[in-house]
Amino acid sequence: NAGVMQNPRHLVRRRGQEARLRCSPMKGHSHVYWYRQLPEEGLKFMVYLQKENIIDESGMPKERFSAEFPKEGPSILRIQQVVRGDSAAYFCASSPATSSYEQYFGPGTRLTVT
Amino acid sequence: TQLLEQSPQFLSIQEGENLTVYCNSSSVFSSLQWYRQEPGEGPVLLVTVVTGGEVKKLKRLTFQFGDARKDSSLHITAAQPGDTGLYLCAGHPGGTSYGKLTFGQGTILTVHP
Repeated sequence: NAGVMQNPRHLVRRRGQEARLRCSPMKGHSHVYWYRQLPEEGLKFMVYLQKENIIDESGMPKERFSAEFPKEGPSILRIQQVVRGDSAAYFCASSPATSSYEQYFGPGTRLTVT
Repeated sequence: TQLLEQSPQFLSIQEGENLTVYCNSSSVFSSLQWYRQEPGEGPVLLVTVVTGGEVKKLKRLTFQFGDARKDSSLHITAAQPGDTGLYLCAGHPGGTSYGKLTFGQGTILTVHP
């Protein structure tokens, strides 16, 4: 049973470019969460999605960041016009609909903005 | 904002020693999870505690949830170098049982052979 998959594992973008991070949840999981881990900081919640719905985006920066979880395909975290401060590890987690206490994390995407 | 305070932030011990990591809050959590994260990887779920006073054991690891569900501890017996890593506690804030997790800042454990 495959775990949460994220790609790419490493992404380098120049300032002003767009970054697209992908997440495929565990089989049977319909809830997806995105977290960001900045250097020397803990994991911070960004957004919580179910299929075709954003449930909680209270942790998302107001500008340049967006997320989606379409009916078909992976969840996408999109960062437009990246800046150096966006450099971080971005983790996706998923949980099943019937029990949301536990979230299972993917290996993360390390974004470096040069 | 409901915060989780972890202590200590750093722990460096010799193989065979015992250790305890604490996770405290002034707020009630419906559940607490403990994760372990290695460099370059995502957090791996170790355990979930739900009931106040609950104790769970995972080999040499013992997890306890406080009676008031405001704190938790992780105790490792006879630590081994393979236990080295970042340990994170996390919980659902606001009494909910789903949705976003609030994380502690983590405890970096180093076990020397």
